[in-house]
Amino acid sequence: GAGVSQSPSNKVTEKGKDVELRCDPISGHTALYWYRQSLGQGLEFLIYFQGNSAPDKSGLPSDRFSAERTGGSVSTLTIQRTQQEDSAVYLCASSFTRTNTEAFFGQGTRLTVV
Amino acid sequence: GENVEQHPSTLSVQEGDSAVIKCTYSDSASNYFPWYKQELGKRPQLIIDIRSNVGEKKDQRIAVTLNKTAKHFSLHITETQPEDSAVYFCAASKRSTGNQFYFGTGTSLTVIP
Repeated sequence: GAGVSQSPSNKVTEKGKDVELRCDPISGHTALYWYRQSLGQGLEFLIYFQGNSAPDKSGLPSDRFSAERTGGSVSTLTIQRTQQEDSAVYLCASSFTRTNTEAFFGQGTRLTVV
Repeated sequence: GENVEQHPSTLSVQEGDSAVIKCTYSDSASNYFPWYKQELGKRPQLIIDIRSNVGEKKDQRIAVTLNKTAKHFSLHITETQPEDSAVYFCAASKRSTGNQFYFGTGTSLTVIP
């Protein structure tokens, strides 16, 4: 597709379950970012990928959060044993790093933990 | 690492007035500064950007200025309209870190008709 695609758009899960969020970046974009946005709040940085490696994982809030990227393309963000405070919109963005240009955002996954 | 600060966190203006949002950054090597607009329930989208070799850039009613010495950049919106109401984020990045973006905390702009 032409833009960054995230799935699912919405996810409701029970507390304690694991969830996987998927991000399909723009083709050719080597940089990929995950952010979390709680209602009315800013963009909380989670993790940054350059190709398949993650030079900056400093934003992952706990060891329940992990992310991977394979083939330099699709990324999955996994949250284990979800808690109610994990409820938020998870945004993915990608950018082309050979020239310093804008990051394009996906539409986000709205996660609700009940 | 880079630290981007953004002010104010909320801003209300009368329709037709100007709005100014300011950001500062800490890493003098940062060289690309985009501004994003996020409307309610939507994804952030780029509205204007500036590179470190330029001091000012305009696009119709919006403009961005950059002061490299002072390490701050600002977004200016003139003749504000109700559709300008949104959250605005500034960001900074540099190529040496693979284009990693550092975002400000956002400014919620309300334009009062």
